[in-house]
Amino acid sequence: NAGVTQTPKFRVLKTGQSMTLLCAQDMNHEYMYWYRQDPGMGLRLIHYSVGEGTTAKGEVPDGYNVSRLKKQNFLLGLESAAPSQTSVYFCASSLPPGGIQYFGAGTRLSVL
Amino acid sequence: GNSVTQMEGPVTLSEEAFLTINCTYTATGYPSLFWYVQYPGEGLQLLLKATKADDKGSNKGFEATYRKETTSFHLEKGSVQVSDSAVYFCALSDFRSGGGQLTFGSGTQLTVLP
Repeated sequence: NAGVTQTPKFRVLKTGQSMTLLCAQDMNHEYMYWYRQDPGMGLRLIHYSVGEGTTAKGEVPDGYNVSRLKKQNFLLGLESAAPSQTSVYFCASSLPPGGIQYFGAGTRLSVL
Repeated sequence: GNSVTQMEGPVTLSEEAFLTINCTYTATGYPSLFWYVQYPGEGLQLLLKATKADDKGSNKGFEATYRKETTSFHLEKGSVQVSDSAVYFCALSDFRSGGGQLTFGSGTQLTVLP
């Protein structure tokens, strides 16, 4: 019973490098989300998707891009990483809007 | 816009003590309210929820009541255990937002000592 799986779990980047974080869910959920967690700030929404082929901006979208080519996958991309993007990234999915969200274990990213 | 304010931590209690973590919210509509818990090294998981005024959510001995008149959703537990040590997040979801995204409080770190 995998639920929501995030890869990788840890990554260190240099400023200006690019990378893609992968989120996969096996619950047939329509809605998927990317959050970042920073100390003392809770979780903030980066981008979300309400279905395959759709994406929308959240509270802090700058510097990130996303794609939802398949219903089960939601990719988060950093085209040119900056130290301000050092954070823990969480993916989540839900079936109905406003319903329970199921979270992955997170990706810890450091940008030097 | 929507916002959630919760009691700042860290909170340190002895085993079997009573726990209260305060949470208040601001929302223009009628949001659903949640408490999520994050154990060390893990993602968030739902602890309890309430979808309308006066609803009480409960799970694992934790309770919270949706109080519309005070815009609050305080988390309580009568007797905490060492295994309850974690970070607790209050959150709301407004159906009108379209995507059902959660707005989180800043989190409260709870440590329970034996």
